[in-house]
Amino acid sequence: DVKVTQSSRYLVKRTGEKVFLECVQDMDHENMFWYRQDPGLGLRLIYFSYDVKMKEKGDIPEGYSVSREKKERFSLILESASTNQTSMYLCASSSGDSPSYGYTFGSGTRLTVV
Amino acid sequence: LAKTTQPISMDSYEGQEVNITCSHNNIATNDYITWYQQFPSQGPRFIIQGYKTKVTNEVASLFIPADRKSSTLSLPRVSLSDTAVYYCLVGGGSSYKLIFGSGTRLLVRP
Repeated sequence: DVKVTQSSRYLVKRTGEKVFLECVQDMDHENMFWYRQDPGLGLRLIYFSYDVKMKEKGDIPEGYSVSREKKERFSLILESASTNQTSMYLCASSSGDSPSYGYTFGSGTRLTVV
Repeated sequence: LAKTTQPISMDSYEGQEVNITCSHNNIATNDYITWYQQFPSQGPRFIIQGYKTKVTNEVASLFIPADRKSSTLSLPRVSLSDTAVYYCLVGGGSSYKLIFGSGTRLLVRP
């Protein structure tokens, strides 16, 4: 069974900390994505990557950066965590030149910034 | 990217067929229509995808009229475990991104 694995289910960090959220997929997918999900706001795209070392900003990239050094791994970095970054973070991957094949999501990381 | 509109919530009973309609008036020629299901505290799960006419798999059917400005997800004989949020997405033709709308919260009652 294909999988997208997020390193932590729950995470509590302090304001100002640098936070790393890791995502690994075992499907050899080219495309990887980071979303955050908040009540009433749905899923919002933060960053995505369509190849190793390639990245593009999504709709809400401010306060975040990403790293994709290997095809299977896509990391989301909160440079200086703030309380408004408390959220559920979802990683996804897809195959091919476009996501028309559908996304596979991880189980999510619920991050709380105190 | 095409925006989608779907009902905020729907109620049904076990054993009934549920149809969730999504409007996407600005769909582009090379866009696909994809539906996802999400349970609480989990990531969305791909259900079905189509481009035109009808697509059926072991979970659901997707009906797309000729003008492609709307689509209907059909869930046959729902059970309590089908209680979830269902998202309709349009895109993927010329962009890597898929934009999630607010989804439809389906509640299946005994």
